[in-house]
Amino acid sequence: DAMVIQNPRYQVTQFGKPVTLSCSQTLNHNVMYWYQQKSSQAPKLLFHYYDKDFNNEADTPDNFQSRRPNTSFCFLDIRSPGLGDAAMYLCATSRDHTVHEQYFGPGTRLTVT
Amino acid sequence: SQELEQSPQSLIVQEGKNLTINCTSSKTLYGLYWYKQKYGEGLIFLMMLQKGGEEKSHEKITAKLDEKKQQSSLHITASQPSHAGIYLCGAALQGGSEKLVFGKGTKLTVNP
Repeated sequence: DAMVIQNPRYQVTQFGKPVTLSCSQTLNHNVMYWYQQKSSQAPKLLFHYYDKDFNNEADTPDNFQSRRPNTSFCFLDIRSPGLGDAAMYLCATSRDHTVHEQYFGPGTRLTVT
Repeated sequence: SQELEQSPQSLIVQEGKNLTINCTSSKTLYGLYWYKQKYGEGLIFLMMLQKGGEEKSHEKITAKLDEKKQQSSLHITASQPSHAGIYLCGAALQGGSEKLVFGKGTKLTVNP
């Protein structure tokens, strides 16, 4: 089945230790998104790629970076995680900018110790 | 302030009861999307509404869009424990943009 896969499902990192979260998709969608979701909060868009074009949200901290080496994969890098970065990180895809229906992965729950 | 407000924040119903969840936007809607999220998991797409007055149903879940009121409702008939979870609305608030804004969600508990 075509899907969005996130690895790992659970990630524990130490304060200040860089961490990378992975997302892959078999849908061949052009757009890939990264969201941060804290408990009882709305998913907050961090950035998205439309094909190779990177679109950063104005309020996304510089600590968060992303890479999309090819259509299928997208990575979220947190350079120096703080305790406030502990959250669920959701990856999503959509076919293109005219179709807003987004398909989500299962998420990666990040714990910062 | 939140661009999408959902109400209620949480809801506890007895199995078999009907319920309604609302989503109200502070801006013009270019599309409204309903998702369901189980605790600790990703969002599962339920329905998409794009035109004012549009109504869609899937099994016992019906969603409607009132474009003039910038509002959508999600109605569940004869609720079951399998309906339990967090229901989120997402909306396209800019024409031609691929971004969605989400509400905080409504947590639904269905007691057997």
